[in-house]
Amino acid sequence: DAGVTQSPTHLIKTRGQQVTLRCSPKSGHDTVSWYQQALGQGPQFIFQYYEEEERQRGNFPDRFSGHQFPNYSSELNVNALLLGDSALYLCASSFRGEGYQETQYFGPGTRLLVL
Amino acid sequence: AQKVTQAQTEISVVEKEDVTLDCVYETRDTTYYLFWYKQPPSGELVFLIRRNSFDEQNEISGRYSWNFQKSTSSFNFTITASQVVDSAVYFCALSEEGEVTFGIGTKLQVIP
Repeated sequence: DAGVTQSPTHLIKTRGQQVTLRCSPKSGHDTVSWYQQALGQGPQFIFQYYEEEERQRGNFPDRFSGHQFPNYSSELNVNALLLGDSALYLCASSFRGEGYQETQYFGPGTRLLVL
Repeated sequence: AQKVTQAQTEISVVEKEDVTLDCVYETRDTTYYLFWYKQPPSGELVFLIRRNSFDEQNEISGRYSWNFQKSTSSFNFTITASQVVDSAVYFCALSEEGEVTFGIGTKLQVIP
């Protein structure tokens, strides 16, 4: 049973560029959440996708956008990259179940460096 | 607004010592979930435990135990007889309707 997978593992971009990160949820899960973790900090919630729609959003600018596909996989897009976007980006999947949130299981993350 | 406070940023213990990691949370909701995650140097967050706001029963899993007290809004985590493999950053998290708020984490170093 594959866990949450993310690609790529590492990425280097320059300021102003755009980046797309990908996530495949754990088998049986239908909800994907994205987090940004700066060095030495806890993960910060970006947004959550369920049934191909953004359901919840944290305090992140519109430069951060996402998508969920019919197979529940998800992408995180960041436009106009800033140096401060350098971080570990974590994807977490869960099963929405009967309207309440189940435990989120995390992938290994994508480490993004913006130069 | 939600808030999770992990006041201990770094703890060092000698192997076989017991250690307690503190977590205090704030929420106005009556229904919420609390979690503990472990983040080893590899970076992947590993789920340890989930507790809902209506279940104050303490839990023990091997060398790990958790003490949930709504009266003090605390959800503390104790590792008994610590081992070097327990060295990691531990995060406490609070979840309410899809949004999870993490604490800053406690870095635990277990010295052989």
